[in-house]
Amino acid sequence: DTGVSQDPRHKITKRGQNVTFRCDPISEHNRLYWYRQTLGQGPEFLTYFQNEAQLEKSRLLSDRFSAERPKGSFSTLEIQRTEQGDSAMYLCASSPRTGGVETQYFGPGTRLLVL
Amino acid sequence: DQQVKQNSPSLSVQEGRISILNCDYTNSMFDYFLWYKKYPAEGPTFLISISSIKDKNEDGRFTVFLNKSAKHLSLHIVPSQPGDSAVYFCAASPWTGNKLTFGGGTRVLVKP
Repeated sequence: DTGVSQDPRHKITKRGQNVTFRCDPISEHNRLYWYRQTLGQGPEFLTYFQNEAQLEKSRLLSDRFSAERPKGSFSTLEIQRTEQGDSAMYLCASSPRTGGVETQYFGPGTRLLVL
Repeated sequence: DQQVKQNSPSLSVQEGRISILNCDYTNSMFDYFLWYKKYPAEGPTFLISISSIKDKNEDGRFTVFLNKSAKHLSLHIVPSQPGDSAVYFCAASPWTGNKLTFGGGTRVLVKP
């Protein structure tokens, strides 16, 4: 079991550019979550999927943000027209649907810097 | 409105002694609580969880206590080791599998 992976690990972009991040969950985990963490704060929920269905979106997720999980496996998070305030660590987590306790396991994150 | 609060931003403890981390929450719908540890430039690592039907859960050196009436939980690490130096986050959810609401974190430094 390789754990949750995220790509890229770091991204530097200029304001106004579009960026896309990828998350590969633990195999057979049917729930996938995106969080954002800024310096000195705890992670904040952005959105989550059960299989390919996006079940909830935070109000933090403005219309410049879009997330997909087309086949219920990997997921992408796209930010259009990036702003300096988008600079943060973007974390992905996955959890199995067991009927019991469903722990979320996190990937290493993608650190985004918008210049 | 911060629904989960960790009021101590940092904690320093001697190796071998007990570390006690505290967390308070305001949302009475929260029913499932977790602790994560985070090293710089890494994602959070799951440590231990507890559901509201219990008031204590133990896993090795880690014990979590839950006081539902006070809306308070704590994490005890005994004995503390230098490798425990990290930022610790408590998180809460209305039910397992739902989104997590995190506290702001407590930075722990274990001195040899």
